[in-house]
Amino acid sequence: RKEVEQDPGPFNVPEGATVAFNCTYSNSASQSFFWYRQDCRKEPKLLMSVYSSGNEDGRFTAQLNRASQYISLLIRDSKLSDSATYLCVVNKGRNTDKLIFGTGTRLQVFP
Amino acid sequence: DAGITQSPRHKVTETGTPVTLRCHQTENHRYMYWYRQDPGHGLRLIHYSYGVKDTDKGEVSDGYSVSRSKTEDFLLTLESATSSQTSVYFCAGGDFGNTIYFGEGSWLTVV
Repeated sequence: RKEVEQDPGPFNVPEGATVAFNCTYSNSASQSFFWYRQDCRKEPKLLMSVYSSGNEDGRFTAQLNRASQYISLLIRDSKLSDSATYLCVVNKGRNTDKLIFGTGTRLQVFP
Repeated sequence: DAGITQSPRHKVTETGTPVTLRCHQTENHRYMYWYRQDPGHGLRLIHYSYGVKDTDKGEVSDGYSVSRSKTEDFLLTLESATSSQTSVYFCAGGDFGNTIYFGEGSWLTVV
């Protein structure tokens, strides 16, 4: 089993749609969770951290479910500019700075 | 601007030659990382550093070595390049428990 698993997609959605991605992780001791965004042939960039209580940043909402060991990302009112690959990132275990990246979920927003 | 620059950005080299990729940061990050990204595998950690002259192996370290003689610079060396090391290499920097920030990537082709 991979340490971090994501549905590769692609998710093809129209502008204005709401779309959600899930990511599962295998190490119950993981403490840090993030979503990164990566455009084609570019470096990954931090989209948002994921906190235990859930957090929102504009149209983006992240949730953490420790019991089921998954995190989610919800994008509301999708824009064409949201088209990218979204990477789920989890630290490897307790008190470690090693981050494990999922292979990403590709989102394509069409007009 | 993440304050992390990589050089060279693109390189073509021959099998068996040594190659060094340089990462330079201006943010005084304690931790620095080298990842490679390949289709179907996502980002995989090669080596990382938690301080000057303090380095450790990641999950795909065979054939690679690193050095960090000062905070700002983290070098990745392919001792004898092979075709399987054709990839895009990303350097990243950060601080414990926090997010990491990536450079723009170095595209390496081994022929």
